[in-house]
Amino acid sequence: EAGVAQSPRYKIIEKRQSVAFWCNPISGHATLYWYQQILGQGPKLLIQFQNNGVVDDSQLPKDRFSAERLKGVDSTLKIQPAKLEDSAVYLCASSLDPGQMNTEAFFGQGTRLTVV
Amino acid sequence: AQSVTQLGSHVSVSEGALVLLRCNYSSSVPPYLFWYVQYPNQGLQLLLKYTSAATLVKGINGFEAEFKKSETSFHLTKPSAHMSDAAEYFCAVSGHGNNRLAFGKGNQVVVIP
Repeated sequence: EAGVAQSPRYKIIEKRQSVAFWCNPISGHATLYWYQQILGQGPKLLIQFQNNGVVDDSQLPKDRFSAERLKGVDSTLKIQPAKLEDSAVYLCASSLDPGQMNTEAFFGQGTRLTVV
Repeated sequence: AQSVTQLGSHVSVSEGALVLLRCNYSSSVPPYLFWYVQYPNQGLQLLLKYTSAATLVKGINGFEAEFKKSETSFHLTKPSAHMSDAAEYFCAVSGHGNNRLAFGKGNQVVVIP
């Protein structure tokens, strides 16, 4: 089966510009996650969607980051305006309903953002 | 809040030697625990997970981990390192009923021929 698709793979922008990332989860996966992975650190959860509703966005910097999941399938993550410290890999993951037993999150290859 | 601690960012191991990566967790409730591997410019791949069944968990590529509640540990081992094991390894924890993962800082494993 096809995995989690993300685009673009790489993006370089200047600070104060805006940027958007796209994620297409595995077909049938109700839950979608965005993680931020700064160099040398483990991924940090930014936001979790269940279908098209937000379950947890407690660690999303809402003054500059926004995310949406249209029709409960694809998702976009936007940063506006970007700061130097936003340079990171942005990982999208999806899973079946986590309330079910033995589900796991499958990760995309990520988008590497460099803010200069 | 749940968290995991991985010590020693870089781990060097000789080819054929034991691989041991340490992970300690902090959780107020019985956790679900995971080990993920990340190859360069790739996403994360699940190696194995503990979900309160058997305490010794076997994963892919010859890796296994043992859940020890008394030590709050979930260390990852592989008896004999292979060159293809060179990658970054992350320990993670989540609560029951969600896949919201809290990751450790990771261990970069280098395999020396």
